[in-house]
Amino acid sequence: QKEVEQNSGPLSVPEGAIASLNCTYSDRGSQSFFWYRQYSGKSPELIMFIYSNGDKEDGRFTAQLNKASQYVSLLIRDSQPSDSATYLCAVTPNDYKLSFGAGTTVTVRA
Amino acid sequence: GAVVSQHPSWVICKSGTSVKIECRSLDFQATTMFWYRQFPKQSLMLMATSNEGSKATYEQGVEKDKFLINHASLTLSTLTVTSAHPEDSSFYICSARDRYSGTSLEQYFGPGTRLTVT
Repeated sequence: QKEVEQNSGPLSVPEGAIASLNCTYSDRGSQSFFWYRQYSGKSPELIMFIYSNGDKEDGRFTAQLNKASQYVSLLIRDSQPSDSATYLCAVTPNDYKLSFGAGTTVTVRA
Repeated sequence: GAVVSQHPSWVICKSGTSVKIECRSLDFQATTMFWYRQFPKQSLMLMATSNEGSKATYEQGVEKDKFLINHASLTLSTLTVTSAHPEDSSFYICSARDRYSGTSLEQYFGPGTRLTVT
């Protein structure tokens, strides 16, 4: 079982819609959860992180964490063409190392 | 703030030669840096954890004699791919933790180095 699993997509949404991305992880001891955005040929850039159960909002992005279900999600509201990228979920199982999911490719249709 | 640079951004080398990639934290000190490799259409895979002043810790399956890591200062870590072969062609990305970040687990990523071995 992979440590971090994501649907590879592609996820296609119309401009202005909400994009919903899901991620599950296997290690119950995981403490920190990160969402990164990666454009083709570029390195990942941090969108947001979440440590506690519940929702965390930052602009058009909302991360949701449910540790009991070992599930973390990312919502992108009012999706823009510039949001078209691969979104990587990353988890720190038990130390400072990041374990990445395979990523979900999002395409926002103008 | 929290800028990480990598040099070179891309490199082409011949099979059998060695290539050195530098990772620098420009505006903070990093006791810990990480090296990742990303093949096309795949996610980032952690290769090793680089600790300033001590030996790097390699992930399972990563050959430490092939991927030499040196972290001689608080702002610089280097990855040397020795006797490179075409299968080593990949996107190599480093990241760094701020030594004063406390319990924060955030890593700052460099822009990556595209290695092509011919």
